Amino acid sequence: NAGVTQTPKFRILKIGQSMTLQCTQDMNHNYMYWYRQDPGMGLKLIYYSVGAGITDKGEVPNGYNVSRSTTEDFPLRLELAAPSQTSVYFCASSQLNTGELFFGEGSRLTVL
Amino acid sequence: QKEVEQDPGPLSVPEGAIVSLNCTYSNSAFQYFMWYRQYSRKGPELLMYTYSSGNKEDGRFTAQVDKSSKYISLFIRDSQPSDSATYLCAIRDRTGNQFYFGTGTSLTVIP
Repeated sequence: NAGVTQTPKFRILKIGQSMTLQCTQDMNHNYMYWYRQDPGMGLKLIYYSVGAGITDKGEVPNGYNVSRSTTEDFPLRLELAAPSQTSVYFCASSQLNTGELFFGEGSRLTVL
Repeated sequence: QKEVEQDPGPLSVPEGAIVSLNCTYSNSAFQYFMWYRQYSRKGPELLMYTYSSGNKEDGRFTAQVDKSSKYISLFIRDSQPSDSATYLCAIRDRTGNQFYFGTGTSLTVIP
């Protein structure tokens, strides 16, 4: 099992560009999450999904979009990148009735 | 009020010391209580999780939950330089839909 796989690991964007962060998991988990992590700020939830076709906003959804067409994939779309979106992004997955949340290795995004 | 508040640190201890990391939470309906460890430039990894009040041990690590005071702790015995990392407490809500994280405590164990 590869677990949770994120791509790309690093990316530099110019202001106003768009991109998609890819996330896939091979554990057949229903629950998937996107977090961003800024220094000293902990993990902030952007969007989450409880199953294919179902997504919902987290704490900081502005400037982002998601889709969940399959159980395995949960891409995060950044439209019109802004410097405030410079961060490390983590995708994670889980099943219900457990405390286990499995994280990817992270995608480090810089917007200049 | 934040769902989870964590002592920010940083903490610096000598090798072999006992380390205590602490968090408080706001909602008595929270269900699962977790501790994650995050090494620099890596994703968080689960150390331990528990469902109920009391203690749970795993080797040198003990997780403690006190639901009456909404307090969770992680104790590390005989700390090692390899324990140097950021430790995040987390809670899963009763719906199961969301995890709430503390801001993390940076720990350095000095050889």
